[in-house]
Order: sequence, then C-alpha cells, then structure tokens
Amino acid sequence: AQSVAQPEDQVNVAEGNPLTVKCTYSVSGNPYLFWYVQYPNRGLQFLLKYITGDNLVKGSYGFEAEFNKSQTSFHLKKPSALVSDSALYFCAVRDTGSARQLTFGSGTQLTVLP
Amino acid sequence: NAGVTQTPKFQVLKTGQSMTLQCAQDMNHNSMYWYRQDPGMGLRLIYYSASEGTTDKGEVPNGYNVSRLNKREFSLRLESAAPSQTSVYFCASSAIAGHTDTQYFGPGTRLTVL
Repeated sequence: AQSVAQPEDQVNVAEGNPLTVKCTYSVSGNPYLFWYVQYPNRGLQFLLKYITGDNLVKGSYGFEAEFNKSQTSFHLKKPSALVSDSALYFCAVRDTGSARQLTFGSGTQLTVLP
Repeated sequence: NAGVTQTPKFQVLKTGQSMTLQCAQDMNHNSMYWYRQDPGMGLRLIYYSASEGTTDKGEVPNGYNVSRLNKREFSLRLESAAPSQTSVYFCASSAIAGHTDTQYFGPGTRLTVL
C-alpha cells in the first residue's frame, strides 16, 4: 500500500526567507510524486511532479522539490517566500503497483508573514 | 478553456435527501475522478472513471454512485445523505489514468448534511 506523510500541520516563515514544506512517502514500487497548492475556497492547483530523472524538480511560481530516494522524501522548497504563497500544500504519491489511485497527505498550512 | 467546472458550489441537505453533484471538463481528458476533502485527512478518492463507459471504486465509495454521462461529464450521486457525508467534494480530470498523469481539479462543492 502507498502512503504519504506531511509531518507539519503548520509552517510559518517570514517573507523573503527560504521555505521548506516536508513530505515523506511509502510505496512498494517506484514512486511518482506530486505537489499541489490550495488557496482558500479554491480547488487544488498542480505545482510540480517527479517521475524519473533529475532529483531536483522545478515547478510553477518559483517552487522546486527535491526527491531523495534513500530518505523517501520529496520536500517542497522556495528560495524566497512571498506573502502570496500562503496556502495549503498537499503532497501526493502513486506507485507502479497502484490501480491509478493518487494518495494525498493531510496537508500543510503555509503562512508567510510580512 | 474553463477547465473543470462543478455545480453547485454550495448545498445544504437534510438527512435522507438525495442529490447529484455535476462535473464537466473541456480539456478532452479521458479520465475523471471524485474526491472528498475532510479536515486533517487530505483528499480521499470516492470513484473514478478511467475512460468513457467505465467506472471504478476508490478508497471511500460507500453511500455514493457515479455516472460517466459522456466524455465531458461525470456526476456523483448521494441517494440518501447522511451527516457523515458533510464534506467538500472535488472533481478532477486527467488525460489518461496513467501513473505519471497530472490531475486537474475543479473548484469544489461544499456540502452540509443536517
């Protein structure tokens, strides 16, 4: 079975500082990893995904994520946070053995303080 | 392109009432999905349709039925609503139901069952 953990319910960071939102996963086969962002009263928006290849994946709005197979992690990062980055962030995973189901983490609320 | 649209945006039901949530996509995607989002639990898959004419159960299908009306539309029906079905419901679509495919989400329907 596949699973995702986002160990932090809430992350606060000052504007201009780097941010990290953590995600760890568990799969039986090769992982396919995704990050989504949800703004208040909106649907989820795709940020980036890791399929294969380079461990550093670049996505929308200046976000990037680093895939670390040995630590089974896929942390989301941004070098300089903006107040407008404040939102709910979800990590999700599929593995090669899944019946197409995307499993989501519980979400991390990011607040960027001005 | 409107992407994925959902109706209604909000709905209040009494226990035992029925209703249908509508979803449509204009991206010519083959696969469509219904999720529910509950606080602290991320998104959980209710049903999905890998292609027109097929539907399959997800993680939490009990109490729901679906219809893939055509390639564009995928509806979710609650035959006899229960308070436990109070949630935010999201529809999503993807080009195919492949392991690496990105899902695109609608804005959600906020349902309250009294």
